[in-house]
Amino acid sequence: EAGVAQSPRYKIIEKRQSVAFWCNPISGHATLYWYQQILGQGPKLLIQFQNNGVVDDSQLPKDRFSAERLKGVDSTLKIQPAKLEDSAVYLCASSLVGAVSSNQPQHFGDGTRLSIL
Amino acid sequence: AQKVTQAQTEISVVEKEDVTLDCVYETRDTTYYLFWYKQPPSGELVFLIRRNSFDEQNEISGRYSWNFQKSTSSFNFTITASQVVDSAVYFCALSGLNTGGFKTIFGAGTRLFVKA
Repeated sequence: EAGVAQSPRYKIIEKRQSVAFWCNPISGHATLYWYQQILGQGPKLLIQFQNNGVVDDSQLPKDRFSAERLKGVDSTLKIQPAKLEDSAVYLCASSLVGAVSSNQPQHFGDGTRLSIL
Repeated sequence: AQKVTQAQTEISVVEKEDVTLDCVYETRDTTYYLFWYKQPPSGELVFLIRRNSFDEQNEISGRYSWNFQKSTSSFNFTITASQVVDSAVYFCALSGLNTGGFKTIFGAGTRLFVKA
């Protein structure tokens, strides 16, 4: 089974520029997550989709971050304009949709390491 | 509010030693799940185990074992006879049932160094 695919692997931009990340989840996984992982910290959920609907985006800085999953498969995360504090690894994960009383484990991609100069 | 605390920032052991990684959680949910993930130097988080709040049975998988105790809100992870390949950052995560579905939060992680 192919894993979660992310691109690019690395990105270096200057502050105030824009950047976009792409994620293709495991086939058949309806739930897709974007996390931000700052060096030395655990992943922090930015946004969670179920199919093409947003389940949770309470921690997404909506003034500069946006994400979409138009066809319920792959997804893009955009930052515009970038700030120095956005330097982090951006992880995409996917999971099967569980029953209401269940929660499936997440499968992660390799991440995109973003450096802001 | 939900919270996961991994008080051990770094642990260093010599190969073949046993090591326990601690995880303490806080939640008001009655239905929740606990997870452990491993993040090797390559960066990809790898799922290790899931436990639901109604199942306090301990689990053993090869050299790995997990001790879930609701009374102390802990879900500790033990590696027996550690190996160099176990060197990684280990994350404990909590997923509680909120409106619209489960929301997962991660602890800060414990970096494990296993020396040959």
